[in-house]
Amino acid sequence: AQSVTQLDSHVSVSEGTPVLLRCNYSSSYSPSLFWYVQHPNKGLQLLLKYTSAATLVKGINGFEAEFKKSETSFHLTKPSAHMSDAAEYFCVVSEKRGSQGNLIFGKGTKLSVKP
Amino acid sequence: GAGVSQSPSNKVTEKGKDVELRCDPISGHTALYWYRQSLGQGLEFLIYFQGNSAPDKSGLPSDRFSAERTGGSVSTLTIQRTQQEDSAVYLCASSPGGPRVYNEQFFGPGTRLTVL
Repeated sequence: AQSVTQLDSHVSVSEGTPVLLRCNYSSSYSPSLFWYVQHPNKGLQLLLKYTSAATLVKGINGFEAEFKKSETSFHLTKPSAHMSDAAEYFCVVSEKRGSQGNLIFGKGTKLSVKP
Repeated sequence: GAGVSQSPSNKVTEKGKDVELRCDPISGHTALYWYRQSLGQGLEFLIYFQGNSAPDKSGLPSDRFSAERTGGSVSTLTIQRTQQEDSAVYLCASSPGGPRVYNEQFFGPGTRLTVL
């Protein structure tokens, strides 16, 4: 069975400093991995996804993530945080269900950005 | 184009009442999912529809929960005899169909259910 663990429930950074949100996964075969963001009172939005192409994946709003099979990690990074990045971030692994994929969500990391 | 829409955005009900939550997926998307997001928790998968196939109900927490999808489009999630532990945000997502396993899911804004 697949699972995903987000190592920090809450991360706080200052505006302009780097962001690191950690995620580890377990999978019995090659997974697809996603990061979603949820702003307050908004729907979930896809930031980026890894589907066995390049291991360094670039997403929207300057975020990127690197798939490291040896470490079973898919950490999300951004060089410089912006106030608008404050939100909850979910690391997600895809589990095959029939011909479609179901998503297994981590418990989320709440990112706070201080001025 | 229009995204996934859900209604109502908020629902307050009394314990023991039945509720219906509606989801309008993106036009043309054949896969539809329901999730539940409880306070401080990640998303919990509830049910999945793919085209005209029998739905995957393996995530439904009890027989008080049911869902249907009429005409391969709109879906309704019904919770009978609501309990306080049913209070959560219920999210709907849709994705394009076909044989691809790793399609992005597009989420609606959710329905916040409060059971008093």
